[in-house]
Amino acid sequence: AQSVTQLGSHVSVSEGALVLLRCNYSSSVPPYLFWYVQYPNQGLQLLLKYTTGATLVKGINGFEAEFKKSETSFHLTKPSAHMSDAAEYFCAVSHVYNQGGKLIFGQGTELSVKP
Amino acid sequence: GAVVSQHPSRVICKSGTSVKIECRSLDFQATTMFWYRQFPKQSLMLMATSNEGSKATYEQGVEKDKFLINHASLTLSTLTVTSAHPEDSSFYICSARRLLDNEQFFGPGTRLTVL
Repeated sequence: AQSVTQLGSHVSVSEGALVLLRCNYSSSVPPYLFWYVQYPNQGLQLLLKYTTGATLVKGINGFEAEFKKSETSFHLTKPSAHMSDAAEYFCAVSHVYNQGGKLIFGQGTELSVKP
Repeated sequence: GAVVSQHPSRVICKSGTSVKIECRSLDFQATTMFWYRQFPKQSLMLMATSNEGSKATYEQGVEKDKFLINHASLTLSTLTVTSAHPEDSSFYICSARRLLDNEQFFGPGTRLTVL
């Protein structure tokens, strides 16, 4: 069975500081991993995804994530936080290429950005 | 880009009534759509997988007679909450899997409040 754990339900950073949102997964087959962002009362927007190939994945809005198989992790980072980054972030895993299969979501991490 | 719409975006109803939520892929065909439920400050929970022309597949613990799903065409799936009760109040999000490349796109969500 697959599962996702996001460490820290709430992360607060200052504007311009490094953003680090943690995600660990459990999967018995090669995983496909995703990060989504959700703004209040809205749906989900894909930030980035890992399927195969390069383990460092770059996404939109300056975010990137690195797939580390040995650590079963897929942490999300951004070098410099912006006020507009304040939102809820979800890590997800699937066992089907791209997002064709069911997505299993982590609990979510709320990111706050202080001026 | 691919767009998924949901209608209505917000609905308030009385206990005991039924509510229908539509999920449409506006510019692509989707053989599969997914329905999620999200409680405040929580993650998305997959309720069911909707396949065009066939019966939906429900996740364990989700009442199929309570949450009726119809996927009548390649661009439309509907979720009907029958005999709604206050505990059904939630944010319902759909996603659609694009036939062309299996990419999955999320709708903006529907906020259901049952009085």
